[in-house]
Amino acid sequence: AQSVTQLDSQVPVFEEAPVELRCNYSSSVSVYLFWYVQYPNQGLQLLLKYLSGSTLVESINGFEAEFNKSQTSFHLRKPSVHISDTAEYFCAVRLNRDDKIIFGKGTRLHILP
Amino acid sequence: NAGVTQTPKFQVLKTGQSMTLQCAQDMNHEYMSWYRQDPGMGLRLIHYSVGAGITDQGEVPNGYNVSRSTTEDFPLRLLSAAPSQTSVYFCASSYGRGVPLHFGNGTRLTVT
Repeated sequence: AQSVTQLDSQVPVFEEAPVELRCNYSSSVSVYLFWYVQYPNQGLQLLLKYLSGSTLVESINGFEAEFNKSQTSFHLRKPSVHISDTAEYFCAVRLNRDDKIIFGKGTRLHILP
Repeated sequence: NAGVTQTPKFQVLKTGQSMTLQCAQDMNHEYMSWYRQDPGMGLRLIHYSVGAGITDQGEVPNGYNVSRSTTEDFPLRLLSAAPSQTSVYFCASSYGRGVPLHFGNGTRLTVT
């Protein structure tokens, strides 16, 4: 069965510092990969996605993620975080032959002043 | 376009009661799904549907029923509520397999 592992439940980081949120998935077949963000007391919004092509994908607010097939990872990075990035981030995977979308347990990003 | 609409936003039930969480989308999406969100557990898939008349189980289907009589609606039924079903429930839809999910705003359910 496919699964998604987000190794860090919480990540504290100082404002303007870089951050990496880790995501690994278990699948031997090709996948679609997503990062969603949930701001406090809100629903989930798509942050970025990997479907095919370039392994590096970017969002409009400075986040990027790189698909690494050999390591089955899709880590999320930002070179300089802002207080407004405080949120919970979820990695999700969908097999391209399946209809289920499975989420990781989420990582809370705490921005320290 | 209202997107994905969930009702009610909040609900309190007593153990053993039944209720239906409503989900409707106006984007003509074939794929619809229900998740529950619990602290430290992320989102877990309850049931999903790839089109009218077709439903399937997700990761945690026990205690929940679904049906999909129309493309627009995908209600989630709790036949006999239990305290373990206290959670925030999200409905989501998408147009196709490679397309991201659109989420509703959630229903916060408390079972006492």
